[in-house]
Amino acid sequence: SQQGEEDPQALSIQEGENATMNCSYKTSINNLQWYRQNSGRGLVHLILIRSNEREKHSGRLRVTLDTSKKSSSLLITASRAADTASYFCATDNNAGNMLTFGGGTRLMVKP
Amino acid sequence: DVKVTQSSRYLVKRTGEKVFLECVQDMDHENMFWYRQDPGLGLRLIYFSYDVKMKEKGDIPEGYSVSREKKERFSLILESASTNQTSMYLCASSRGRAYNEQFFGPGTRLTVL
Repeated sequence: SQQGEEDPQALSIQEGENATMNCSYKTSINNLQWYRQNSGRGLVHLILIRSNEREKHSGRLRVTLDTSKKSSSLLITASRAADTASYFCATDNNAGNMLTFGGGTRLMVKP
Repeated sequence: DVKVTQSSRYLVKRTGEKVFLECVQDMDHENMFWYRQDPGLGLRLIYFSYDVKMKEKGDIPEGYSVSREKKERFSLILESASTNQTSMYLCASSRGRAYNEQFFGPGTRLTVL
């Protein structure tokens, strides 16, 4: 079963609006990562947040982590049409020897 | 610039054929991974390797094998391709701990007829 689950499965917004995606997971983690995938391509790493961190920023991206609720959120501010992609969260398993990816959120940003 | 390359972007094979998918990374990474991606199921780990000649089963190894003879190359082998192995296959690599940032190749879309 998947360790991470994203919510919502799909999101459609206008350019300039903010987009928020959520990820929930089941077991304790070392870190949580977010990746982006453009249609039919490989995944690109966006940001990594460690289990002892609560918030992290990278450009227009803001990630929060709540280990008590086993959840994370990815906020993309001032979205652009180029942000249209699928976004995945990934967490490590109990043994820490692999990443498990969620099913992803498909984001569409309309110009 | 870091790079993970996969031998083919698109591949069409027939049921029963032996299929080789090749992945090469130029970052001297210890860890390499093979995933398959299917709609609604996300990415699922098939096999991974943390060193030359070492391999570990992921979540869905059945019907697949792997080979890592050199550090930079990780091959996925479908011994006898079946239609349910039609999928997008993604290779990735990482340095150090297996849960560190992974770098992905562009993917191979395999169709088995």
